[in-house]
Amino acid sequence: QKEVEQDPGPLSVPEGAIVSLNCTYSNSAFQYFMWYRQYSRKGPELLMYTYSSGNKEDGRFTAQVDKSSKYISLFIRDSQPSDSATYLCAMTSTGFQKLVFGTGTRLLVSP
Amino acid sequence: ETGVTQTPRHLVMGMTNKKSLKCEQHLGHNAMYWYKQSAKKPLELMFVYNFKEQTENNSVPSRFSPECPNSSHLFLHLHTLQPEDSALYLCASSQDLLAGGADTQYFGPGTRLTVL
Repeated sequence: QKEVEQDPGPLSVPEGAIVSLNCTYSNSAFQYFMWYRQYSRKGPELLMYTYSSGNKEDGRFTAQVDKSSKYISLFIRDSQPSDSATYLCAMTSTGFQKLVFGTGTRLLVSP
Repeated sequence: ETGVTQTPRHLVMGMTNKKSLKCEQHLGHNAMYWYKQSAKKPLELMFVYNFKEQTENNSVPSRFSPECPNSSHLFLHLHTLQPEDSALYLCASSQDLLAGGADTQYFGPGTRLTVL
């Protein structure tokens, strides 16, 4: 079993839709949870970071962590074509030295 | 130049060649990382350096040899690679490993390596 499971997609949605991206994990020691966005031919960039359980909102993006279910989500409201990218979840138990990544979900937002 | 830069962006090499990948960060960070990104696989951490000292070697084959001459530069020396080593090699940097908590990693654009 992989430590972090993430559906590779692609996930295709029309512009304006609400997008839900998810990861499940098996290591209950994970405490720090991140979402990275990676555009084609670019490196990943940190989008959202949360510590432990709960929600965090930043503009159109909301990150949720449910440690009891070992499940994290990223919601994108009013999705735009510019949101088309691969979204990677990542997590670690202490510090950021050894991030464990999901495979990434490719998102396509059509105009 | 800003952020994390990597050169070359694309590299094609034969299995008997020797080449090097270069990474430079302009963020004043002290920790630097090499990752391998293959299609349909999670990013794999290869090496970690903190204040020029290697702190992590994630069971990487010896045909990959890292070098960190200072906190701003990181190299990955390649020799006698295999076709399965073809991937995107990403460099990242962060403040330092002692910072703890939210030590955000900033990634470069990567070097797309093809081994023939």
